[in-house]
Amino acid sequence: QKEVEQNSGPLSVPEGAIASLNCTYSDRGSQSFFWYRQYSGKSPELIMSIYSNGDKEDGRFTAQLNKASQYVSLLIRDSQPSDSATYLCAAAPNTDKLIFGTGTRLQVFP
Amino acid sequence: DTAVSQTPKYLVTQMGNDKSIKCEQNLGHDTMYWYKQDSKKFLKIMFSYNNKELIINETVPNRFSPKSPDKAHLNLHINSLELGDSAVYFCASSPSGYEQETQYFGPGTRLLVL
Repeated sequence: QKEVEQNSGPLSVPEGAIASLNCTYSDRGSQSFFWYRQYSGKSPELIMSIYSNGDKEDGRFTAQLNKASQYVSLLIRDSQPSDSATYLCAAAPNTDKLIFGTGTRLQVFP
Repeated sequence: DTAVSQTPKYLVTQMGNDKSIKCEQNLGHDTMYWYKQDSKKFLKIMFSYNNKELIINETVPNRFSPKSPDKAHLNLHINSLELGDSAVYFCASSPSGYEQETQYFGPGTRLLVL
């Protein structure tokens, strides 16, 4: 069983819509969660981090964490074509390593 | 200024060769990492070093040998390259390796083994 699971997509949304990206994790000891964005041919860059249950908002991005359900999500409001990328979910068990999911490819069409 | 840099950016080589990839960070971080990203975009940790000391050594063939001459540099040497080693290798760093810290990734080295 994969430790961090994501739907590989592609998830296609129209410009201006809300994109909802989901992730589940298997290690209940995980305390820290991250969303990285990776454009094609580029390196991953951090979008959001979340450590507590509930929502965390940063501009057009909202991360949601539910530790009881072992579920993390990322909402992108007012999606733009420039948001088209692969979004990687990562969990940090009680160690210093990140476990990444395989990523969800998001396509925002005009 | 580039925060995490890697050389070379592209590496095309024959099976059986030995090659090295270099990584440098100018962020003053204590912890550095090597990740492998395969053709399906799966990003997996290989090694991490904290202040030149090996911390994480995942199940990686011993043909892969990391070396950290100082905390700003982490190199990866690969012996007897195989077709399955073709991937993008990312170096990353974080301030002290604490789980809540952001990891900053280098641009990646695209390795193709023929």
